[in-house]
Amino acid sequence: NAGVMQNPRHLVRRRGQEARLRCSPMKGHSHVYWYRQLPEEGLKFMVYLQKENIIDESGMPKERFSAEFPKEGPSILRIQQVVRGDSAAYFCASSWGQTSYEQYFGPGTRLTVT
Amino acid sequence: GESVGLHLPTLSVQEGDNSIINCAYSNSASDYFIWYKQESGKGPQFIIDIRSNMDKRQGQRVTVLLNKTVKHLSLQIAATQPGDSAVYFCAEKIRGDYKLSFGAGTTVTVRA
Repeated sequence: NAGVMQNPRHLVRRRGQEARLRCSPMKGHSHVYWYRQLPEEGLKFMVYLQKENIIDESGMPKERFSAEFPKEGPSILRIQQVVRGDSAAYFCASSWGQTSYEQYFGPGTRLTVT
Repeated sequence: GESVGLHLPTLSVQEGDNSIINCAYSNSASDYFIWYKQESGKGPQFIIDIRSNMDKRQGQRVTVLLNKTVKHLSLQIAATQPGDSAVYFCAEKIRGDYKLSFGAGTTVTVRA
């Protein structure tokens, strides 16, 4: 009865490196959402994906950020050429379907850019 | 700007008392609201949700009230316990959309 799983839990990258964050949704869930949380703030929507499809990426920065949810395997949030401003907690949530509004969150990946 | 916000950033409550956490929203097209609890270093944990065609919904020790006239949402926690200490977020979903918009959160501290 595993919940949403994310790894790594903590990630340290130097400026200019790439960060890859992984998310495995709850069993039976085929919809994945990525959110970013800066210190002392609420979560901000980034992207919504279904298997092999990006449904809404309106919250994702146009450059350096990309996301995928392949047919097999976890969803990946990729940040290229990281900058200090990318330091944040990145949370993944999953839901059963588009008409199911409940989103269940993973423990997050805390990215620190040095 | 933010369409979901909380009235107070912090709330201190005596153990055993009831807690009330408030949230205001501005988008009349919001049709679903959800409360999350986030403990330090963890992801948001689902507490309770309510659809816009309801005024009240109860769970275990928690009640959510929705006043669409003044666009106000509240979370009531009965008999607050030390384990209730956390940051509480309200989030909304707009009709026809699926992403959640979060407020900034209220930090609840329970005094022994």
